[in-house]
Amino acid sequence: QSVLTQPPSVSAAPGQKVTISCSGSSSNIGNNYVSWYQQLPGTAPKLLIYDNNKRPSGIPDRFSGSKSGTSATLGITGLQTGDEADYYCGTWDSSLSGVVFGGGTKLTVL
Amino acid sequence: EVQLLESGGGLVHPGGSLRLSCAASGFTFSNYAMSWVRQAPGKGLEWVSAISNSGGSTYFADSVKGRFTISRDYSKNTLYLQMNSLRAEDTAVYYCAKAVMHQRLDYWGQGALVTVSS
Repeated sequence: QSVLTQPPSVSAAPGQKVTISCSGSSSNIGNNYVSWYQQLPGTAPKLLIYDNNKRPSGIPDRFSGSKSGTSATLGITGLQTGDEADYYCGTWDSSLSGVVFGGGTKLTVL
Repeated sequence: EVQLLESGGGLVHPGGSLRLSCAASGFTFSNYAMSWVRQAPGKGLEWVSAISNSGGSTYFADSVKGRFTISRDYSKNTLYLQMNSLRAEDTAVYYCAKAVMHQRLDYWGQGALVTVSS
């Protein structure tokens, strides 16, 4: 059971938009920055979004992040087949004194 | 270019020990916290341990507390994870990651597979 809650899967057609939610509490999302990670099949995770809504260099602006209270959302527009991957939210939990992740969301581009 | 290269993975019997290493390059090692994250076969990411940039603070998931230790060698720019009393449920790919204020894991290694089995 993960500390952060994500939907197990989402799907959408190429070119469409999808959002992935991440729900937590005041000890994690509510008082810390949220990051999002993309894990393509058979590869290591890669940082996609940090500090709730910032994109590292090289990440296209099709990817966006937002946070409100104890929840965060990853948005992906103009879906491509290459976006098929597992997506994880993560942050620091001040009560646990550790990093916490969501259970991951598998994105299928139909 | 930031590079993180894990080594030391392998097959170990239950109750045994293993030490993972993570050689870091491309950044000032002493300026950043580091973390270990693992992923059991077919499962999601599980944070394991973190160490501050100075090495003075260490953090562990409850699942490994008392069995794993984390350390770093600044002369070798290397991060370590000493794993003792290993269990079948510790079987996973272990990733080391460069951290920014522990909240952002901005670079990840390719992972090292640890298999605990008799």
